Amino acid sequence: QKEVEQNSGPLSVPEGAIASLNCTYSDRGSQSFFWYRQYSGKSPELIMFIYSNGDKEDGRFTAQLNKASQYVSLLIRDSQPSDSATYLCAVRNAGGTSYGKLTFGQGTILTVHP
Amino acid sequence: KAGVTQTPRYLIKTRGQQVTLSCSPISGHRSVSWYQQTPGQGLQFLFEYFSETQRNKGNFPGRFSGRQFSNSRSEMNVSTLELGDSALYLCASSWEGTGEFYGYTFGSGTRLTVV
Repeated sequence: QKEVEQNSGPLSVPEGAIASLNCTYSDRGSQSFFWYRQYSGKSPELIMFIYSNGDKEDGRFTAQLNKASQYVSLLIRDSQPSDSATYLCAVRNAGGTSYGKLTFGQGTILTVHP
Repeated sequence: KAGVTQTPRYLIKTRGQQVTLSCSPISGHRSVSWYQQTPGQGLQFLFEYFSETQRNKGNFPGRFSGRQFSNSRSEMNVSTLELGDSALYLCASSWEGTGEFYGYTFGSGTRLTVV
């Protein structure tokens, strides 16, 4: 089982729709969760992080965390063509042998078409 | 505020050679991590340093090594290069306090091609 798994893509949504990106993780000791966006040929950039169960909203982006289900998601409302990118889920366990390590999923390619 | 600076941006090396990549983190950031990114494997963790100490290391052979200096700048070295080492090498830095970590900021990367 991979440490961090993301829903297989690519995901294609029409402009203005909600894009839903999902991620599961295997380490129950994981404490912090991150979503990065990576445009083609560029390096990843941080969109959001979430530590506590529930929802966290930032503009058009909402991160959702359910530690019991070991599940984290990212919703993008009113999707725009400029949101087309690869979205990376990352998980950090600040204790034990994983200390200092941020583990990434394989990424989901999102395409927003006009 | 300057971002994470990686040098060089591009490198072409021959099999068997060694290479050193450099990373200057954002001022005030003491945590520096290195990742290898390839189309097939995604972002693979190489190692992480905090205040000159390696806190964690990924599953890479001993040919991959790194270090961090007292000014938080970091270098990674790959010896005896293989064709499979061709990849984008990304450095990332973060501020970190006791129990506080707000994610990494990545540099633009070094594109290494081994021929």
